[in-house]
Amino acid sequence: KQEVTQIPAALSVPEGENLVLNCSFTDSAIYNLQWFRQDPGKGLTSLLLIQSSQREQTSGRLNASLDKSSGRSTLYIAASQPGDSATYLCAAPSGAGSYQLTFGKGTKLSVIP
Amino acid sequence: DAGITQSPRYKITETGRQVTLMCHQTWSHSYMFWYRQDLGHGLRLIYYSAAADITDKGEVPDGYVVSRSKTENFPLTLESATRSQTSVYFCASSRNNIQYFGAGTRLSVL
Repeated sequence: KQEVTQIPAALSVPEGENLVLNCSFTDSAIYNLQWFRQDPGKGLTSLLLIQSSQREQTSGRLNASLDKSSGRSTLYIAASQPGDSATYLCAAPSGAGSYQLTFGKGTKLSVIP
Repeated sequence: DAGITQSPRYKITETGRQVTLMCHQTWSHSYMFWYRQDLGHGLRLIYYSAAADITDKGEVPDGYVVSRSKTENFPLTLESATRSQTSVYFCASSRNNIQYFGAGTRLSVL
């Protein structure tokens, strides 16, 4: 059974800092991994989808990496802004070839002006 | 606007009542999903559907029923609501492995 862990559960940084969010998963027979953002009281928004054939995926100030051999993914946020404050969740397929996702519990990020 | 619409956004009901949460998508995505989100548990899959008339259980299906007679609609029914079903419910659809979420329904069972 896939298990996804995100550490830390909460993170507070001053504005302008670069930061890394961590995600680990137990079943490395996956073909992709997704990072989502969730604002309070809202649904999830997909930020990045990394295919297993890729090592990295970039969107603006966000860069996600995937290392299947170690069961880890990271989300790098450059030059953080107060508007980046949200909960970030990673999700991996529940099994090889599965369309179901297993989610981590998220990292709540606060960027202090 | 195109996207996923969930209704109602907020619902209060009593134990033992039947409740239906609605989900409608305008993209004609084949895959649709229902999740519940609870403090301490994160997001958990209740049911999913690969196409109209094809549904399957997720991690926490007990007490829930789904149907999918049309591609665009995927209602979730709580047959006899219990307090433990108080939660935020999210519907999602998927295309090219990316999942798109609705805004959620906050359900309170008293």
